[in-house]
Amino acid sequence: GDSVTQMEGPVTLSEEAFLTINCTYTATGYPSLFWYVQYPGEGLQLLLKATKADDKGSNKGFEATYRKETTSFHLEKGSVQVSDSAVYFCALSAPGGANSKLTFGKGITLSVRP
Amino acid sequence: NAGVMQNPRHLVRRRGQEARLRCSPMKGHSHVYWYRQLPEEGLKFMVYLQKENIIDESGMPKERFSAEFPKEGPSILRIQQVVRGDSAAYFCASSPEGAREQYFGPGTRLTVT
Repeated sequence: GDSVTQMEGPVTLSEEAFLTINCTYTATGYPSLFWYVQYPGEGLQLLLKATKADDKGSNKGFEATYRKETTSFHLEKGSVQVSDSAVYFCALSAPGGANSKLTFGKGITLSVRP
Repeated sequence: NAGVMQNPRHLVRRRGQEARLRCSPMKGHSHVYWYRQLPEEGLKFMVYLQKENIIDESGMPKERFSAEFPKEGPSILRIQQVVRGDSAAYFCASSPEGAREQYFGPGTRLTVT
């Protein structure tokens, strides 16, 4: 079945450091790919998405490119802030139609120190 | 546009009691999904409903768990005879027709004592 693998965490960075969080997936066809962020005690917020190969999703300085050849969707940010401290989840929805379940990675905790 | 609403935010139940979790989707959204988040784990899909219909319940435990999304009112996730292993955060998400992304509520944190 479909699966998402995220790099092991947690990750601790200093403010203004460069961020990369790795995400790879296993799925047949072309799934849609997402990054969600969860702040302490809250639900998940959609951070960005990509629906086809070579698409780049971006939001709030974060970017991720849908790489079909490496089945990856790595999240990057050029300069992190303390307010970016949260848990980040990579997810996919199966190809073949809208309105289907999301499959999530385990999530990774990012802590940014001043 | 109000977001996805879930209540209660925190629920404490003794073993053997029933837990009832409610979810009101965003306005205009007719698709509702339930996920469970165990400590130190990602979210696991439980069930997908559209008004009055269960579309996919492949992640739902076979016993004690049920879900509904009536024509009027919120979606309900019901857990009968709760056990300690049911302690988790339960998240509801909704989406409009034809969308791939989902919008999540704040979750209900269930503690079974």
